[in-house]
Amino acid sequence: ELKVEQNPLFLSMQEGKNYTIYCNYSTTSDRLYWYRQDPGKSLESLFVLLSNGAVKQEGRLMASLDTKARLSTLHITAAVHDLSATYFCAVDRGYGGSQGNLIFGKGTKLSVKP
Amino acid sequence: NAGVTQTPKFQVLKTGQSMTLQCAQDMNHNSMYWYRQDPGMGLRLIYYSASEGTTDKGEVPNGYNVSRLNKREFSLRLESAAPSQTSVYFCASSEDRNYGYTFGSGTRLTVV
Repeated sequence: ELKVEQNPLFLSMQEGKNYTIYCNYSTTSDRLYWYRQDPGKSLESLFVLLSNGAVKQEGRLMASLDTKARLSTLHITAAVHDLSATYFCAVDRGYGGSQGNLIFGKGTKLSVKP
Repeated sequence: NAGVTQTPKFQVLKTGQSMTLQCAQDMNHNSMYWYRQDPGMGLRLIYYSASEGTTDKGEVPNGYNVSRLNKREFSLRLESAAPSQTSVYFCASSEDRNYGYTFGSGTRLTVV
């Protein structure tokens, strides 16, 4: 059974600091996604990681994927208050010949304080 | 704006009542999905439709039915609502999993 674990689940940061969110998954998968969710809002796609060694960056966020270690990281550089949100990773289960069988982590609630 | 539209945004039901959640996308995507999100949890897949005319169960299908009415629309029906179905429901669509998934804004359902 595919399980996805994120840590930490809660993260309080000061503005200007760096931190990393970790996403571990239990079985082989070749696709991993990162989403952002603001309170009461929908999920916003941040990154789609498709292969071992993939690295993508957008602004202060950088995501990477190591399929051998079954690990993805979301690194936050010089955090600002606007990054406060809940971040989810999701792994594509990929069975049944269909897309969208995503298994989500429980999310990391990030709070950036001045 | 192109995207996934869900209706209603909020709903309160009494135990045993039925209702249908509507979802429509205007991106010409083949695949559509229904997820539920409970507090402190990630999303869990209820049902999906890989293409028009097909539907399949996801991780938590019990108590739900779906209809893929056409390529644009995918509805989720609760025949006899239970308090355990209190949740936020998200519809999503995708054309190619290499490009990811687009989520709707959600329906917040409370069953009392």
